[in-house]
Amino acid sequence: DSGVTQTPKHLITATGQRVTLRCSPRSGDLSVYWYQQSLDQGLQFLIHYYNGEERAKGNILERFSAQQFPDLHSELNLSSLELGDSALYFCASSHPTTGGLLTDTQYFGPGTRLTVL
Amino acid sequence: GQQLNQSPQSMFIQEGEDVSMNCTSSSIFNTWLWYKQDPGEGPVLLIALYKAGELTSNGRLTAQFGITRKDSFLNISASIPSDVGIYFCAGRGYGGSQGNLIFGKGTKLSVKP
Repeated sequence: DSGVTQTPKHLITATGQRVTLRCSPRSGDLSVYWYQQSLDQGLQFLIHYYNGEERAKGNILERFSAQQFPDLHSELNLSSLELGDSALYFCASSHPTTGGLLTDTQYFGPGTRLTVL
Repeated sequence: GQQLNQSPQSMFIQEGEDVSMNCTSSSIFNTWLWYKQDPGEGPVLLIALYKAGELTSNGRLTAQFGITRKDSFLNISASIPSDVGIYFCAGRGYGGSQGNLIFGKGTKLSVKP
């Protein structure tokens, strides 16, 4: 158990709908990362939040958005869903080491499997 | 952009065999991480490497951060059935992408029929 929790574990919805995925990081971790994993693309970095602020964006579609709340949990919002959005969505958390260099290690949650029909 | 090549894509193991896989990148990394993912689960961190040349072990697993900073390998000695799964390398570069991990496509370990 990594200490990162994600809900729901499974989500089935229809095209055009909007869903929200939730992530609670490990106790004390300030960073939350979101990833998408599909069969043909592997693990793709979507977005990184640190202590409530967006730090970096990866291959995240404009239909997707995220936020990190004061209690450090994060939500990933996916809207206008398409069939191709079906994938596993993981969040990972980390606590940066000192010295300013981001050598932090990311610990992954169990993921949310999204199926768009 | 930065790319990671992980090989082999898949391999079959027989209990007791040693296993080796590696990753190479198109640019220099400051961190290499190795994860294992079981079906329906999230990746679990196996080994983290932060210095060029660093050699780190975790039980039967050994990983090294290449001297050129562009590659890393993972060895599994005396494999057992529970080693089956998908192994991912991940690297972190310098500059604007600091903090963002890039993942390899994975090496799938299966048991020999």
